[in-house]
Amino acid sequence: QSVLTQPPSVSAAPGQKVTISCSGSSSNIGNNYVSWYQQLPGTAPKVLIYDNNKRPSGIPDRFSGSKSGTSATLGITGLQTGDEADYYCGTWHSSLNAVVFGGGTKLTVL
Amino acid sequence: QVQLQQSGPGLVKPSQTLSLTCAISGDSVSSNSGVWNWIRQSPSRGLEWLGRTYYRSKWHNNYAVSVKSRITINPDTSKNQFSLQLNSVTPEDTAVYYCASGSRATDTVFDYWGQGTLVTVSS
Repeated sequence: QSVLTQPPSVSAAPGQKVTISCSGSSSNIGNNYVSWYQQLPGTAPKVLIYDNNKRPSGIPDRFSGSKSGTSATLGITGLQTGDEADYYCGTWHSSLNAVVFGGGTKLTVL
Repeated sequence: QVQLQQSGPGLVKPSQTLSLTCAISGDSVSSNSGVWNWIRQSPSRGLEWLGRTYYRSKWHNNYAVSVKSRITINPDTSKNQFSLQLNSVTPEDTAVYYCASGSRATDTVFDYWGQGTLVTVSS
């Protein structure tokens, strides 16, 4: 059971928009920055969003992040078949003194 | 551009020690901004952060509670690399192990990842 809660799966059609939620507590998301990672099959995760809503160089603006209270959300617009992947949220857990991740969400582009 | 290259055995016997190394290029293990992590992934446990080492005037380590009694992460400044040792392994420790790093102000962002090593714990 992961400390951060994500839906196991989401799906949408090409060109549409999807959001993925990540729920935590005041010990983690509520008082720390959230990052989001994309993991394509057979590869290491890649950071898409850091500090709640910042995109590293090279990440298209189709990807966005937001945070409110103890929850965070990843948004993906203009869905492409190449976006099919597992998505993970992560943050620092202040009382555990550790990085914690969500259980991951599998995105299917129908 | 930082690159991380992992090495180490893919098969470890139960009760023995799992040892992996992560060689760094494009940065220094003793830089004042880098943070050097080990993360593992298995179907049963998902992504699990194991611990990290970093240098800020002195060396610091943080470890996950789940492995704290069994884990050591050490920097090797002479070879510009860092290592993972996990003692007394069981089949539950079977996973893909990644080294990962970042150097942002938020030190829990993993910008760079090694290629991953599948470690199987079996006799």
